[in-house]
Amino acid sequence: EAAVTQSPRSKVAVTGGKVTLSCHQTNNHDYMYWYRQDTGHGLRLIHYSYVADSTEKGDIPDGYKASRPSQENFSLILELASLSQTAVYFCASSSGTLSNERLFFGHGTKLSVL
Amino acid sequence: GQQVQQSPASLVLQEGENAELQCNFSTSLNSMQWFYQRPGGSLVSLFYNPSGTKHSGRLTSTTVIKERRSSLHISSSQTTDSGTYLCALERWTNAYKVIFGKGTHLHVLP
Repeated sequence: EAAVTQSPRSKVAVTGGKVTLSCHQTNNHDYMYWYRQDTGHGLRLIHYSYVADSTEKGDIPDGYKASRPSQENFSLILELASLSQTAVYFCASSSGTLSNERLFFGHGTKLSVL
Repeated sequence: GQQVQQSPASLVLQEGENAELQCNFSTSLNSMQWFYQRPGGSLVSLFYNPSGTKHSGRLTSTTVIKERRSSLHISSSQTTDSGTYLCALERWTNAYKVIFGKGTHLHVLP
């Protein structure tokens, strides 16, 4: 079974502060994704990456940056955290796009911005 | 508007009853998947099913791409089936998009 590990599991941040969410996968997957989940909105794609040192914008990239320094690691960066970024964030990985392979999700990071 | 609509939004069953969950797409799609989200948060992929019918234990997924719909049938429900069931479409146009529905919240009573 594919393993995707997120850290931290939860975080409280102050408005205007910098937040970095980390994701690590040990399955040699090329694709990695960051989603946020909010009540009433479901899961929305923020950024994704299909190769190290390259990231792509998803559906809601504003206010977020992503970094893929290696195949195993994918970070989500909030340079200036805002109240509206309070949500649960999920990292996922797959060996291809959704159409080729199943998505494997981490356990999520609950972020509260105060 | 919502490009992925799931119904019902919530469902309560008595253990042993069957359930039929629906996913309708208002846009063209290249593929779709069904996911299960455990109470407490983590998600598990159930089916990748761009067309036709697939089975896995008590679960059956049927997708009709031309009609832009997919269903998930759960037979003989168990309390451990409780949670949220999400469907997602994948689309390649001039950009890659994965769009999730809001889910069906299922509660199976003992």
